[in-house]
Amino acid sequence: DAGVIQSPRHEVTEMGQEVTLRCKPISGHDYLFWYRQTMMRGLELLIYFNNNVPIDDSGMPEDRFSAKMPNASFSTLKIQPSEPRDSAVYFCASSDTGGSYNEQFFGPGTRLTVL
Amino acid sequence: GDSVTQMEGPVTLSEEAFLTINCTYTATGYPSLFWYVQYPGEGLQLLLKATKADDKGSNKGFEATYRKETTSFHLEKGSVQVSDSAVYFCALSSGGSNYKLTFGKGTLLTVNP
Repeated sequence: DAGVIQSPRHEVTEMGQEVTLRCKPISGHDYLFWYRQTMMRGLELLIYFNNNVPIDDSGMPEDRFSAKMPNASFSTLKIQPSEPRDSAVYFCASSDTGGSYNEQFFGPGTRLTVL
Repeated sequence: GDSVTQMEGPVTLSEEAFLTINCTYTATGYPSLFWYVQYPGEGLQLLLKATKADDKGSNKGFEATYRKETTSFHLEKGSVQVSDSAVYFCALSSGGSNYKLTFGKGTLLTVNP
């Protein structure tokens, strides 16, 4: 299995631009999670989906952030407009209801820099 | 709500030293407990887990025992290697239909030769 795939791996953009991060979960997994990691705040859960439906988006920082999961094999996290404080590493993770005690499998992350 | 508190880092050890990273938790019900490891430039990966009281999770020489009476899940390794240098995260899941993980802040471990 290829594991969780994220793209791009690195993104540098200017303040005010739209940024779209992409994630392909492991085939057959029915949960998908988006996290943000910074030195100051550590690892934060932004939103998670079950069977493509958003379950909890209480971690989404503000209206500039949105996430979608149009099908079981693809999800996006969009920031519009981006700000320098959004600079972080964004991780996608997936898990399987029938799997082992809620283990989550993480992608390699997207390092976002907003200038 | 659920929470995880783990020892503040960074931790710096010499090769072959003994490692302990403390982790305590607060949760409703009977959570499952995890240790994840993040190597430089990579995503998190599961290191070990325990799903009920007194269970011991182990992997790659690391161990942690689920202690319900002290609500703890301390990570230990008898002899660390340079290749163990990474950030270690303690996490819990309250289980049932809730597949959300609650993570601690992470502990950076550096092992010097």
